[in-house]
Amino acid sequence: ETGVTQTPRHLVMGMTNKKSLKCEQHLGHNAMYWYKQSAKKPLELMFVYSLEERVENNSVPSRFSPECPNSSHLFLHLHTLQPEDSALYLCASSQEDVGVSGNTIYFGEGSWLTVV
Amino acid sequence: RKEVEQDPGPFNVPEGATVAFNCTYSNSASQSFFWYRQDCRKEPKLLMSVYSSGNEDGRFTAQLNRASQYISLLIRDSKLSDSATYLCVVNPNTDKLIFGTGTRLQVFP
Repeated sequence: ETGVTQTPRHLVMGMTNKKSLKCEQHLGHNAMYWYKQSAKKPLELMFVYSLEERVENNSVPSRFSPECPNSSHLFLHLHTLQPEDSALYLCASSQEDVGVSGNTIYFGEGSWLTVV
Repeated sequence: RKEVEQDPGPFNVPEGATVAFNCTYSNSASQSFFWYRQDCRKEPKLLMSVYSSGNEDGRFTAQLNRASQYISLLIRDSKLSDSATYLCVVNPNTDKLIFGTGTRLQVFP
């Protein structure tokens, strides 16, 4: 059983729809992330939350809106997306100081998003 | 120069072969290094951390060469189940990780 769970696993939405991706971590971590993975591209960091505060927004279009109500839950609200936003969206968590003492991140299974 | 660079492959090797991947990084201040494995249409999973002294986990050996700024992953006695994409991950002394595009390995019977 994975320590980071994401729902839904697959989502097809029209360009005018509003939907949300949900992530929950059971690892006691205090940082959570949204990544985007498109074909033949490296993982793109979208948002970072540390102790429930957003600490990074990597120039992500406003049609993606994150929400972190507590240290265990993370949402990605989607509205008026474009077909090029179709990708695998991965949630991850870690202890706050990623990289310190070898801390690293753990991913959920991902949400496959198709925008039609 | 990319922050983390990997040969995309694919590396096609027979079962039982030994295969090695390298990954170069641009920031000499980088402190932490990892190898992740990603199966087709699945999430990346931590395979192993890479320590300065090198480390081994069964058939897998990871090494760090700070002078030349690369890390390597050696897989001995390849199994069909090793077929996957191997992601090199570097922490460039900041609070985030940088992922390579991955090296694809295909092990055939």
